[in-house]
Amino acid sequence: DVKVTQSSRYLVKRTGEKVFLECVQDMDHENMFWYRQDPGLGLRLIYFSYDVKMKEKGDIPEGYSVSREKKERFSLILESASTNQTSMYLCASSFGSGGADTQYFGPGTRLTVL
Amino acid sequence: GNSVTQMEGPVTLSEEAFLTINCTYTATGYPSLFWYVQYPGEGLQLLLKATKADDKGSNKGFEATYRKETTSFHLEKGSVQVSDSAVYFCALLPMKTSYDKVIFGPGTSLSVIP
Repeated sequence: DVKVTQSSRYLVKRTGEKVFLECVQDMDHENMFWYRQDPGLGLRLIYFSYDVKMKEKGDIPEGYSVSREKKERFSLILESASTNQTSMYLCASSFGSGGADTQYFGPGTRLTVL
Repeated sequence: GNSVTQMEGPVTLSEEAFLTINCTYTATGYPSLFWYVQYPGEGLQLLLKATKADDKGSNKGFEATYRKETTSFHLEKGSVQVSDSAVYFCALLPMKTSYDKVIFGPGTSLSVIP
C-alpha cells in the first residue's frame, strides 16, 4: 500500500516563527502536493512538485515556500507564521502518468499559530 | 474557470437509509471526475472515479455516473452504515492538465446514526 506520512499531527507555533512541515511518500511517485483544508472552503492547493527540485505555485502560494531535494520528500515552509495560516495541512502524492492518477494523502497536520 | 459545487451539509441519515450527495461541475471539455472520502482523523482517500461521459464509478457500495449533459456526478449508496460517517469531496481534473492538479469541492459531511 502507498504510504504518505507527515511529520506531525498537531503543531502549535507563535506568530513570526519559521515553520517546517515535512511529507514523505514511499511509492516513488513523481508528483507531490501541499493543500490546506479549511471549513467550507474544501482543499486549496498551495504548491506542487512534479520532479526533484521542481516546484510550481498552486492557488494560494503567498506566505509559503517548498523544497524537494529528494523524490520521496516534500517540505512546506512558512517563512513567518501568521494567525491566518492556522489550518489543516494535507500532503498528497501521485504517480504522474498524466492519466487521472489517484492522489494519495497523508493524515494531515493541524497547525495552530498563536 | 473550472469549479465543483456540492450540496451543503451536514447530512444526517439513519442506518440503512438511501444516500445521495449532489455534485455539479463547471469545466471545458471532458474532465475526469472523482469522489474522495475523509474519515475522522485521517487524510483523504479515493472512493471512486470516472474518466469519460456515461462512465459509472463504483466502490464499497457507492456509485456515481458521469453525466455530461447535466454536468453532474452525484454520489449514491443504497443503504448507508454507521461506518460511512465521513466527509465526502467531489473533485475534477480538467482536460489537458499536467501533473494531476485536481480541483476539489468544499466537502459534504455525512453522519449516520444507528
